[in-house]
Amino acid sequence: GNSVTQMEGPVTLSEEAFLTINCTYTATGYPSLFWYVQYPGEGLQLLLKATKADDKGSNKGFEATYRKETTSFHLEKGSVQVSDSAVYFCALMRYDKIIFGKGTRLHILP
Amino acid sequence: SAVISQKPSRDICQRGTSLTIQCQVDSQVTMMFWYRQQPGQSLTLIATANQGSEATYESGFVIDKFPISRPNLTFSTLTVSNMSPEDSSIYLCSAGGVTNEKLFFGSGTQLSVL
Repeated sequence: GNSVTQMEGPVTLSEEAFLTINCTYTATGYPSLFWYVQYPGEGLQLLLKATKADDKGSNKGFEATYRKETTSFHLEKGSVQVSDSAVYFCALMRYDKIIFGKGTRLHILP
Repeated sequence: SAVISQKPSRDICQRGTSLTIQCQVDSQVTMMFWYRQQPGQSLTLIATANQGSEATYESGFVIDKFPISRPNLTFSTLTVSNMSPEDSSIYLCSAGGVTNEKLFFGSGTQLSVL
């Protein structure tokens, strides 16, 4: 079946550090891939997406590239800020349904 | 974009009772979904709320336990019936457009069952 696996958290980094949150997926066909973010006390919101192989989604300094050969969609940011502290969810869409990973909590220390 | 209002935002309920959660979208949307987010777990899709017809449930979820209504393109309800402590969770409403490549989420209903 379709599923998403992302790295366990929490991840704790110092401000300006480089961030990678790993995400791999299992799906039939060619799903669209997403990263959603949930800031403290807020609802989920779409961070970025990619709809086909080799696409790169980007937003707010975050990037993720759709790698079909490795079935991965790792989230990266070159220099994190305290305001990036949140829970990040990797997700895929197949047949109009979005399936989420378990989420990775990110703490950024000043 | 779409703004989703969900209520109640939280509730504490007794075992055996039922709670209905309402979801209002500020614009007409094609797709509406209900998710559950248990502590430390991912979001799990409960069902797709279909306008004017019965909801489509995912494996492990049944209509008798989670009846859903969707009378129009902007509103849906989810009822959690005959609740037990295992139903304690955050319930999230979401909505998407025709392509459904961007889902908007409500802020969720935090349910605690005693």
